[in-house]
Amino acid sequence: QVQLVESGGGLVKPGGSLRLSCAASGFTFSDYYMSWIRRAPGKGLEWVSYISSRGTTIHYADSVKGRFTISRDNAKNSLFLQMNSLRAEDTAVYYCAREAAAGGGWFDPWGQGTLVTVSS
Amino acid sequence: EIVMTQSPDTLSVSPGERATLSCRASQSVSSTLAWYQQKPGQAPRLLIYGASTRATDIPARFSGSGSGTEFTLTISSLQSEDFALYYCQQYNNWPLTFGGGTKVEIK
Repeated sequence: QVQLVESGGGLVKPGGSLRLSCAASGFTFSDYYMSWIRRAPGKGLEWVSYISSRGTTIHYADSVKGRFTISRDNAKNSLFLQMNSLRAEDTAVYYCAREAAAGGGWFDPWGQGTLVTVSS
Repeated sequence: EIVMTQSPDTLSVSPGERATLSCRASQSVSSTLAWYQQKPGQAPRLLIYGASTRATDIPARFSGSGSGTEFTLTISSLQSEDFALYYCQQYNNWPLTFGGGTKVEIK
């Protein structure tokens, strides 16, 4: 079955870095656009970043632009999010999500998420 | 950025009753709107895309309507498993944006 499994979350100090990974299985990863989406404690969902199937088109939310970098390795069915200069407001559960149809814009499925806590 | 506003924040409904959730966009998004359900400790689950198309395996009691700036998610007869958080999301423009969510709780 289609599955997305995130890893790499944890506790990091403000200004620190973290790299999240998302392992995909059950579908042809290289055919699909992917995104990272987060949910801060007590808040709603916030889209973070998007990457096209071949990695040629990338978008970021203004809140993370210049600090976060999305990438993918289609040979390893993996999606990544390099997070630098982390701030307290980046504390959230980070989900990777597959765009359900090429160019569609809606997400199905989502991974279970990985928690990132930025605190001194 | 297109701002998505959901109302109400919390909806108290008895099992078997109808629930109507609203989502408003700050500018027209045509029909490029999706709805998701999220339960505590779980990943969001796609319910509706294209404003009114049910996703695979979503029960018929869930229906979506609207276009432009006003959208509605209706749950015709609430089941115990439907008590959850619901989010709308527009995908007409970058950045993609979500509403703040509506919590459907047991009355």
